Amino acid sequence: QVTLRESGPALVKPTQTLTLTCTLSGISVSSPDTRVNWVRQPPGKALEWLARIDGNDDTFFSPSLRTRLTISKDASKNQVVLTLTDLDPVDTGTYFCARMHPSYLAFDIWGQGTMVTVSS
Amino acid sequence: EIVLTQSPGTLSLSPGERATLSCRASQSVSGTYVAWYQQKPGQAPRLLIYAASNRAAGVPDRFSGWGSSTDYTLTINRLEPEDFAVYFCHHYGLSPPWTFGQGTKVEVK
Repeated sequence: QVTLRESGPALVKPTQTLTLTCTLSGISVSSPDTRVNWVRQPPGKALEWLARIDGNDDTFFSPSLRTRLTISKDASKNQVVLTLTDLDPVDTGTYFCARMHPSYLAFDIWGQGTMVTVSS
Repeated sequence: EIVLTQSPGTLSLSPGERATLSCRASQSVSGTYVAWYQQKPGQAPRLLIYAASNRAAGVPDRFSGWGSSTDYTLTINRLEPEDFAVYFCHHYGLSPPWTFGQGTKVEVK
């Protein structure tokens, strides 16, 4: 059974850097078929795709956030790490990691999400 | 970037009725790479439909999707109490960026 679980701070201050971790179970972060995405959702609003990393280390970023985002993986811990710099209160929301299905490519497995509040 | 516009914003229906949700893309979606997700409060999205018309594993057959090019539809036949939720369409596929619609809330009338 494949599961994803997000973890990270619940509260961060403006201008700080956010680091979130997605821990995979049931699949290897280094497998060629593994593609992990980060998606966020401000309270009561729509979903926004942020970034993706593949098992072969290819990375993709939202054009609007490209300069602030970094995505990487830690094979020893089977984790994907997302960092978002220069935080602003508009970055407040729930951050999800989600797997892209190996063949049909939709996001078939999601973590439960982690809520992040940006406030001084 | 493809912009997805969902309508209506809110759909007020009774259990047993049919729900028809629309998702319009700002440009043609190659490969019909459109998915639909259901989201309940405090939960992660749940994949319902991929490639416009394919039900994901475990999704009841009262959920159906169809569409092509710029127009996509999710239909829920005979609404069950557990179907009242927010639904998002999603453009995905081979080339980013990938985008979501703003959502349609299906609420109890």
